[in-house]
Amino acid sequence: GAVVSQHPSRVICKSGTSVKIECRSLDFQATTMFWYRQFPKQSLMLMATSNEGSKATYEQGVEKDKFLINHASLTLSTLTVTSAHPEDSSFYICSARVPRDRGLKETQYFGPGTRLLVL
Amino acid sequence: GNSVTQMEGPVTLSEEAFLTINCTYTATGYPSLFWYVQYPGEGLQLLLKATKADDKGSNKGFEATYRKETTSFHLEKGSVQVSDSAVYFCALYQAGTALIFGKGTTLSVSS
Repeated sequence: GAVVSQHPSRVICKSGTSVKIECRSLDFQATTMFWYRQFPKQSLMLMATSNEGSKATYEQGVEKDKFLINHASLTLSTLTVTSAHPEDSSFYICSARVPRDRGLKETQYFGPGTRLLVL
Repeated sequence: GNSVTQMEGPVTLSEEAFLTINCTYTATGYPSLFWYVQYPGEGLQLLLKATKADDKGSNKGFEATYRKETTSFHLEKGSVQVSDSAVYFCALYQAGTALIFGKGTTLSVSS
């Protein structure tokens, strides 16, 4: 299969600070990565699509100035939650689209997620 | 737009009971359909998938059949175990888009 990692796995921060979450594809190059947010007992909501070398495409209702996404290389996308507030506390999950030439069964591989708690 | 609807949980079963989690979808064209599982404290894992009508995905005793006529992809297992306790997500994919997930169904199996 393909491996996607996220760092950190958990983070606790004070209100008003910024937090950066990294998503890496470890054994393949991902031109497209996705960021999801999962609230307790709810589904994963797509926040944005991150394309290497270009601006991210945000879903309706997601504040692009608050959730900064940078996809600077083919193996790394970062999500920065700026001026975090308690309502930003959530589980953030990234996924990477697998290139067709990998011949893998899945179309997207998911990272393990990052749990953010803003105090 | 595309969407996925799952039965709401939680679903509480005794060990060895039969499980069905309903999933229906709305999409243009012919999407691929998936079931993902999320165990407590862990990330998403692909459980099974089907890419065209009448395909049956299966894994670890779980099965789901892609029914185009009813736009459904219900998850079934004949005999659940305590270790199956998790949140199950039905998802849909079309080329060029991200996965679209249902709201998830929590399964709790007791011994």
